[in-house]
Amino acid sequence: GQQLNQSPQSMFIQEGEDVSMNCTSSSIFNTWLWYKQDPGEGPVLLIALYKAGELTSNGRLTAQFGITRKDSFLNISASIPSDVGIYFCAGRQGAQKLVFGQGTRLTINP
Amino acid sequence: KAGVTQTPRYLIKTRGQQVTLSCSPISGHRSVSWYQQTPGQGLQFLFEYFSETQRNKGNFPGRFSGRQFSNSRSEMNVSTLELGDSALYLCASSLVLAGANEQFFGPGTRLTVL
Repeated sequence: GQQLNQSPQSMFIQEGEDVSMNCTSSSIFNTWLWYKQDPGEGPVLLIALYKAGELTSNGRLTAQFGITRKDSFLNISASIPSDVGIYFCAGRQGAQKLVFGQGTRLTINP
Repeated sequence: KAGVTQTPRYLIKTRGQQVTLSCSPISGHRSVSWYQQTPGQGLQFLFEYFSETQRNKGNFPGRFSGRQFSNSRSEMNVSTLELGDSALYLCASSLVLAGANEQFFGPGTRLTVL
């Protein structure tokens, strides 16, 4: 089915480094959501974006809704060990189904 | 406020059997969505219910079905189980169907088909 292109697929970084990941779509969305999933658990909502150009922060996390409405970015500053997990972007247009990216697996070396 | 709850958390079935999974949304939420998650395919959308009506449907065979009750609780059913149905089944609820409709996920039901 339809999916977003999320990159990178995996990241291996040192503790303290900043992280950037993004999602692109061929379709326009009016909602972008970012989730984090730990092993064996359901995804947890990190940030929700509803307006083109919107920049929203949640602690060390910052996400942006692209101006074209076809992309979104998530940045994590000063990574710590508990940031390890899989990050998913998701986009939605109106009342259509929520579409998910394939995820970015983040691994942090202490 | 309690989060999304799913029961059971773990389930083991054999091929050919059927299974019913249950989801209770966050209080006040009227939309419930179901997803199948496997290592190879990521999060695949199954269906979404709002006010007891199926509003969106993914590309799964008819063996997968669902329903929503008047209290917004939802169930999904898989009949004639196949080995490939082994997955984490996630339920998510949102306040409304469109607009400010953040989806909040439950912990999932891990289904193993032997």
